Amino acid sequence: GAGVSQSPRYKVAKRGQDVALRCDPISGHVSLFWYQQALGQGPEFLTYFQNEAQLDKSGLPSDRFFAERPEGSVSTLKIQRTQQEDSAVYLCASSLRSYEQYFGPGTRLTVT
Amino acid sequence: GIQVEQSPPDLILQEGANSTLRCNFSDSVNNLQWFHQNPWGQLINLFYIPSGTKQNGRLSATTVATERYSLLYISSSQTTDSGVYFCAVGVGANSKLTFGKGITLSVRP
Repeated sequence: GAGVSQSPRYKVAKRGQDVALRCDPISGHVSLFWYQQALGQGPEFLTYFQNEAQLDKSGLPSDRFFAERPEGSVSTLKIQRTQQEDSAVYLCASSLRSYEQYFGPGTRLTVT
Repeated sequence: GIQVEQSPPDLILQEGANSTLRCNFSDSVNNLQWFHQNPWGQLINLFYIPSGTKQNGRLSATTVATERYSLLYISSSQTTDSGVYFCAVGVGANSKLTFGKGITLSVRP
């Protein structure tokens, strides 16, 4: 079946612009995660949803970062007033009732 | 929070060689996954292995949960095995994964 998809795959934003990154999880997966991967590092947790409920947002680096999953399926990660330090790959993962997470291809964000 | 250490940080092999990649973690976990990140950045699931031993073709993995480490074995390596290998751990159902820094593997023809 189809895996996790993310769009856009690449995004270039000027400093100060707002961006929205989309994640389509595997159909039927109740859990959805966002991670941020800086160049040369492992992914780092941002936030977690179970259905439409955001149960953990402890990894969001600032109040400029906001995530939602209003109908328990598609999720959007929004970054307001982007800064250069926001440049990274943003990864989405989903899981069913097991612990195993499956990752999308990521969105590479470059802030100029 | 939980700490994850992977070793060695870099590994260069000739095609056909075998290798062992190690992951140490600092606390009890109930989720442990190995991933291969290909040159396009996609994280590919290799094993979900919070304990025990699994094999899939030329790859196998062992996790000794009581001693807080996991090993990934690659046999008869191929150039397509090149990339970064990540170990990631989690605690609790559907909880966040904490990743190691990865092991960069280069397999030369």
